[in-house]
Amino acid sequence: NAGVTQTPKFRILKIGQSMTLQCTQDMNHNYMYWYRQDPGMGLKLIYYSVGAGITDKGEVPNGYNVSRSTTEDFPLRLELAAPSQTSVYFCASSSLPAVQFFGPGTRLTVL
Amino acid sequence: QQQVKQSPQSLIVQKGGISIINCAYENTAFDYFPWYQQFPGKGPALLIAIRPDVSEKKEGRFTISFNKSAKQFSLHIMDSQPGDSATYFCAASRGSNYQLIWGAGTKLIIKP
Repeated sequence: NAGVTQTPKFRILKIGQSMTLQCTQDMNHNYMYWYRQDPGMGLKLIYYSVGAGITDKGEVPNGYNVSRSTTEDFPLRLELAAPSQTSVYFCASSSLPAVQFFGPGTRLTVL
Repeated sequence: QQQVKQSPQSLIVQKGGISIINCAYENTAFDYFPWYQQFPGKGPALLIAIRPDVSEKKEGRFTISFNKSAKQFSLHIMDSQPGDSATYFCAASRGSNYQLIWGAGTKLIIKP
C-alpha cells in the first residue's frame, strides 16, 4: 500500500496563478483532510471531507476549494495564488477517530 | 474552549535525558488525546495516544501522563536519543467529530 500520496512535491507559482494539489489514498478511508503548515508553526485545517461528495470548511478555507468525487481522491484547488499561501500543504486520511495518516507534503512558494 | 495549549515551543535535551512536553485543554468533551511526531520534510505520524479513563500509557521509551482533573496531559521521552529530534504535536478530539484540535508543536533537539 502506498498510503497517502501527494503531487507535486514542490511548486513555485506566480501571484495570480492557479493550481491543483493532488491527494490520493489507497486505504479506503472515508475521511480526508487538507492542512497547511507555515514555517515553524503548527497545522491549520483548510478543508475536510467525511466521504465522497461531502466536504466542509476548516479553520482557514479562504482562497481554496476542494472536491471529493471518489473515496480515493481529494484535490485542493488554489485560485489566484497570493504570497500568503506560501506554505507546506499536507493531505491526510483516516477511518478511526483522530488516527490520521499524512502524506509527504507539497511545498508551495508564491512569488 | 477549542484550544489545546502546548509548551514549550522548543526544547533541548542531552542524550540520555528525559524530554517532557506538556499540553492543556479546556473542553471536557475531548475524549481522545494523540501525540504526533514529525521529522523534517515529512508529514506528522501518530506516535502514541490516550483516552481519559487511563492516567498513563507507555510504549517503549514514550509515556503519556494524563491528569483529568487538571485537564493536562504530557509526553515523556525516556533515555532521549538524537533520533528523537523532531517536532511533536499534541492534539485532542471529540467523539465522532473527526476534526483534531492541534497544539502548536514543540521542536525537540537531542544533543549527542
